[in-house]
Amino acid sequence: DTGVSQDPRHKITKRGQNVTFRCDPISEHNRLYWYRQTLGQGPEFLTYFQNEAQLEKSRLLSDRFSAERPKGSFSTLEIQRTEQGDSAMYLCASSSFVETQYFGPGTRLLVL
Amino acid sequence: AQKVTQAQTEISVVEKEDVTLDCVYETRDTTYYLFWYKQPPSGELVFLIRRNSFDEQNEISGRYSWNFQKSTSSFNFTITASQVVDSAVYFCALSEGGTSGSRLTFGEGTQLTVNP
Repeated sequence: DTGVSQDPRHKITKRGQNVTFRCDPISEHNRLYWYRQTLGQGPEFLTYFQNEAQLEKSRLLSDRFSAERPKGSFSTLEIQRTEQGDSAMYLCASSSFVETQYFGPGTRLLVL
Repeated sequence: AQKVTQAQTEISVVEKEDVTLDCVYETRDTTYYLFWYKQPPSGELVFLIRRNSFDEQNEISGRYSWNFQKSTSSFNFTITASQVVDSAVYFCALSEGGTSGSRLTFGEGTQLTVNP
């Protein structure tokens, strides 16, 4: 396993459309995290899972955002009714319970 | 609430110069972890180092070194004899709660440009 993977790498959508991103963590990692990074800023925490349980959600995660990790392996992040303010890089990371988070390459979203 | 401040937005140096990136943090926890990540133009965050709050020993890894001082809540990063490949955005981050596997709070990053 070479690391965390994310798909797609780039997504352009029109305002009001729904988009879904996928993250595949490092296989032995039981924790999976989503962050959002806007231009010129550091990543901001959105949510994380331990196995299939979603343990924490940031107040940044409005009700248009939903994340799942149904079998404790890959995760999806869906944004409904996208807005121009959703344009950002969406980063996924994984870790073992008490270890360092390793990041994927990110999905760059542009909402027109 | 936890906070990480990287006061240097951009730094530009000439190759072979030494450069220090500053990081100051705020936390109410006595147990926490500090990290540095590198983000090259490709966008992927690359892990560089993790330090726990009970280990104030400085660390050196090749041209990289880190100075952790709890008294000033700082965790600074020095690159010795910088190279063009060191050009990237560098982020300092903090996690609380006694485990490095909890949410990370990042600083705003320092853009380092190393010119030939």
